[in-house]
Amino acid sequence: DVKVTQSSRYLVKRTGEKVFLECVQDMDHENMFWYRQDPGLGLRLIYFSYDVKMKEKGDIPEGYSVSREKKERFSLILESASTNQTSMYLCASSRTGPRYPLHFGNGTRLTVT
Amino acid sequence: KNQVEQSPQSLIILEGKNCTLQCNYTVSPFSNLRWYKQDTGRGPVSLTIMTFSENTKSNGRYTATLDADTKQSSLHITASQLSDSASYICVVSPESNYQLIWGAGTKLIIKP
Repeated sequence: DVKVTQSSRYLVKRTGEKVFLECVQDMDHENMFWYRQDPGLGLRLIYFSYDVKMKEKGDIPEGYSVSREKKERFSLILESASTNQTSMYLCASSRTGPRYPLHFGNGTRLTVT
Repeated sequence: KNQVEQSPQSLIILEGKNCTLQCNYTVSPFSNLRWYKQDTGRGPVSLTIMTFSENTKSNGRYTATLDADTKQSSLHITASQLSDSASYICVVSPESNYQLIWGAGTKLIIKP
């Protein structure tokens, strides 16, 4: 069974802090994704990576950066956290190809005060 | 503009009853449509995938339908159980994993 593990379930940070969200997958998937999920909205893609050290912007990359130094690990970085980044953050991984599903972690609920 | 709209936003039914969730999309070109189930506090989990040529697909008590002409899909749940309480999300893929168009989901509550 694919396992995607996010390092924290809950985080509370102050405005202006640098925040790191970590994600690890154990199925050797090429692709990894970071989404945010807000009430009443569909999942919105922040960044994705299709290989080590490769990254592509999603729909809402502003205020975020990512790092993928190893195949199994994909980190999301909030350079200077703001209150509008309070959200649920979901990491996912998948094999390449439209028929393969995304496998999600259980999310990190980030609150920025 | 590529969009996926789901209805209803929320639904409450009694345990043992059936229900149908709707998904309309305006995504083109179309590759596939997938339904995910998201339990509270968990990430979404794939239930089923529908491609252009498939009209109906079942996964236990879940049956998904697709009408590619009208760009509509439905998820029918038979003999609901308390464990079916979750959000159900419809996702359409235009061409690849990277371009998924997500619906906002339907929150289903099953009451005993």
